[in-house]
Amino acid sequence: QKEVEQNSGPLSVPEGAIASLNCTYSDRGSQSFFWYRQYSGKSPELIMFIYSNGDKEDGRFTAQLNKASQYVSLLIRDSQPSDSATYLCAPRGAAGNKLTFGGGTRVLVKP
Amino acid sequence: GAVVSQHPSRVICKSGTSVKIECRSLDFQATTMFWYRQFPKQSLMLMATSNEGSKATYEQGVEKDKFLINHASLTLSTLTVTSAHPEDSSFYICSVSESLGEQYFGPGTRLTVT
Repeated sequence: QKEVEQNSGPLSVPEGAIASLNCTYSDRGSQSFFWYRQYSGKSPELIMFIYSNGDKEDGRFTAQLNKASQYVSLLIRDSQPSDSATYLCAPRGAAGNKLTFGGGTRVLVKP
Repeated sequence: GAVVSQHPSRVICKSGTSVKIECRSLDFQATTMFWYRQFPKQSLMLMATSNEGSKATYEQGVEKDKFLINHASLTLSTLTVTSAHPEDSSFYICSVSESLGEQYFGPGTRLTVT
C-alpha cells in the first residue's frame, strides 16, 4: 500500500464545473495536509493546507479533512482552463517537517 | 510564503563530471531545506533534508557520497551531483519549510547528463 494515494486521472471537467480530487494516506500520525498545484515542467506551488477535521475554504478552493477515515480532498469550484495541472496531496508526518507526496491527479478543464 | 531561487535552471553535462546546484532562500532564514528529484510523469521524491551548519539527512536509497549537500548559511544550500551519469538526468527541486510545515519550492533545475 502506498503511503499517499491519489487517482492519477486525468480528471476531465468542463469549464465552470466543480473538480473533486481525493487523497488517502496511511500514516495516522499525520497532522497537517498540503495541496500543491504543478504545471507541466514547473515546480509545485502551494494552494492551501488544512490541519483540522472539516472544511477550509480559500477562494475557489475548499479542502476537506477526515482524519478518522484518513482522507483529504480538494474541491475546485468554477473550474477554469488555467486550473489544468497536476494536483499533489502531501501529508506532513508526526515527526519533523517532511512531506510525503502522492502521485498527483492530473486535471483537465475543457472550455 | 518564502521566495526560493535555484541556479542554474538548466544544465547539460557530460557523463562522469560533477554538477553543483544552488538553492537560495531570498526572504526567509531557512534552518532546514529539502532536496527533491522528479523523473518525468512521476511524483516528487525526497532525496535529503539539508540542515544549516550540520550534516544532511539522506533518505533511504540515496547515496550521500554521490549527492553532496552543503548548507553553509541560513540562505544557501547546494547539491552537488558527483560523477553524473545519464540515469541522474532529472528535475531537481529544493524547498524551504516555514513554521507550520508548509514548503515553498524553488523553480527547479533540469539536469541532462549526456
